[in-house]
Amino acid sequence: NAGVTQTPKFQVLKTGQSMTLQCAQDMNHEYMSWYRQDPGMGLRLIHYSVGAGITDQGEVPNGYNVSRSTTEDFPLRLLSAAPSQTSVYFCASSPGLAGAAEQFFGPGTRLTVL
Amino acid sequence: AQSVTQLGSHVSVSEGALVLLRCNYSSSVPPYLFWYVQYPNQGLQLLLKYTSAATLVKGINDFEAEFKKSETSFHLTKPSAHMSDAAEYFCAVRNTGNQFYFGTGTSLTVIP
Repeated sequence: NAGVTQTPKFQVLKTGQSMTLQCAQDMNHEYMSWYRQDPGMGLRLIHYSVGAGITDQGEVPNGYNVSRSTTEDFPLRLLSAAPSQTSVYFCASSPGLAGAAEQFFGPGTRLTVL
Repeated sequence: AQSVTQLGSHVSVSEGALVLLRCNYSSSVPPYLFWYVQYPNQGLQLLLKYTSAATLVKGINDFEAEFKKSETSFHLTKPSAHMSDAAEYFCAVRNTGNQFYFGTGTSLTVIP
């Protein structure tokens, strides 16, 4: 199992550009989520999905879109990048929300918006 | 609403000394609690989790945490710090909802 994979590892954008951060998992997990990590703020939830075709907003969804057409993939789209979106982005997946199922994290994407 | 508070954004210990990282949560129902570790330039890895089976939870690398409902705490400890323990540690909580809530993290430095 590759686990949770994210591409790219690094990305530099100019203000106003759009891009998609890719996330895939091969563990057949129902639950997937996107977080951003900023210094002193921990991880903040952007969007999450409890299954294919179902997505919902987290704590900081503005400026980001998601879709979940398959169980495996959960891409995060930045429609018009802003410097405030400079951050490290983590994708995570979980087998579900029953009991104490933990999340498995990808290696992250470091995004800089100039 | 859920929240997680990690007291101390930076903790320094000497090699071989006790490690104590604090986590307090707010929850109206007994939660599920987790500790994750993040090494530089990596994703988060699960250290241990509280499942209500036992209040003292043992994890990887000799870490353990004790759930204390009366104090709404889930502090992480390790009897003897090793240089390789230097990392960022995150406490997280989830109740019966769909969201995990993370603390702001504690950076652990181990002094040789």
